[in-house]
Parts: sequence; structure tokens; C-alpha cells
Amino acid sequence: AQSVTQLDSQVPVFEEAPVELRCNYSSSVSVYLFWYVQYPNQGLQLLLKYLSGSTLVKGINGFEAEFNKSQTSFHLRKPSVHISDTAEYFCAVEGDSSYKLIFGSGTRLLVRP
Amino acid sequence: EAQVTQNPRYLITVTGKKLTVTCSQNMNHEYMSWYRQDPGLGLRQIYYSMNVEVTDKGDVPEGYKVSRKEKRNFPLILESPSPNQTSLYFCASSSRRGSRYLDKNIQYFGAGTRLSVL
Repeated sequence: AQSVTQLDSQVPVFEEAPVELRCNYSSSVSVYLFWYVQYPNQGLQLLLKYLSGSTLVKGINGFEAEFNKSQTSFHLRKPSVHISDTAEYFCAVEGDSSYKLIFGSGTRLLVRP
Repeated sequence: EAQVTQNPRYLITVTGKKLTVTCSQNMNHEYMSWYRQDPGLGLRQIYYSMNVEVTDKGDVPEGYKVSRKEKRNFPLILESPSPNQTSLYFCASSSRRGSRYLDKNIQYFGAGTRLSVL
């Protein structure tokens, strides 16, 4: 069975500092990986996705993530965060032959001035 | 504008009073799904639908029903709501056709329905 672990429930960071949100997954099959962002009182919006090809994936708002198959990780990074990046971030995995999206428990990014 | 629309956004009800949360998408997507979001648990799938008249259980289907009579609509029905169904609900849709490198497999989410069952 597939699962997703987001190790940090909350990550506080100062504005303009770099940030990394960690995500590890478990799966015995090829997977597709996603990061979604949820701003307060809104639905989920896709940040970026890994389907195949280059392991470094660039998304919207300056975020990027690196797929590491040996470590089964898909960590999200941004070199310099803004106040507006304050939100909850969800990592998700979908199996190659499954249409089911499995979500992690989420990481709340809190950007302070 | 491509979107997934849920109604209502907020709902307070009492135990046992049947309710329906509507979901509609205008992207001609085949796949639709319902999730509930609870603190510390992320999003968990309730039901999903691969196409019209094709539905199946997700991870937490107990106490819920769905139907898919039209491609664009996927209502979530709570026949007899209970307090443990107090949660934030999201509807999502995606396309299962086309290249995997484009829009396929990307799930689009509605704005959410916050339900409180007293």
C-alpha cells in the first residue's frame, strides 16, 4: 500500500529565508508525485508534479522539488520565501495503475516578517 | 473559466437530518472524487467516480453516498449525519485522457464545504 509522510506539521521561517518541506513516500510501484498548496479558506492548488523525466521539477511561485527514488523522497524547496507563501502544503502520491491520490498530513508554512 | 464548484460553502446541521453537498465541474472531466480534510490527517478519499454511473468507495466511505447521473455533477449525500462527520469536504475532478505530460492526472479542487453536525 502506498503512503505519504510529511515529517513536519509546522515550519516557521523568516521572510526571504530559504525553506525545505520534507516528503517521503512508500510504494512498490512507479508513482506520480504532487505538491499542492492550500491558502486560508481556499481549495487546493497544484504547485508542481513529477510524472517522469528530470528529477528536478519546477513549479509555480518559485517552488521546486526533487524526486529521489533511492531515498523515496520528494522534498519541496524555495530559495527565498515571502509572507504570501504562508499556507498549508500537501504532498501526494498516485500509483501508476491507480487513480487514487494519497495525501500526506500536511505542513503549515508560517512566514514571519 | 475552468472550475469545480461546490455548494454550500458552509453548513450547520443537526444529527440525523439528511443533507446533500453538490459538486459540478465544467471541464468535461471523467474522474471525480470527494475528500474530507481533518486536522493532522490530511485529505482522505470518501468516494470516487471514473465516469457516469461508475462509482466506488474510497478510504472512508461509511455514512456517505454518491451518485453520478451526469458527467458534470457528483453530489455527496449524508443520509443521517453524525457529529463525527463534522469536517471540511473537497470535491475534485481530473481528466484520464491525453498525454501524461499535460493535464492528465492533475486533480482540480473545489473551494471546500465546511460542515458542522451538532
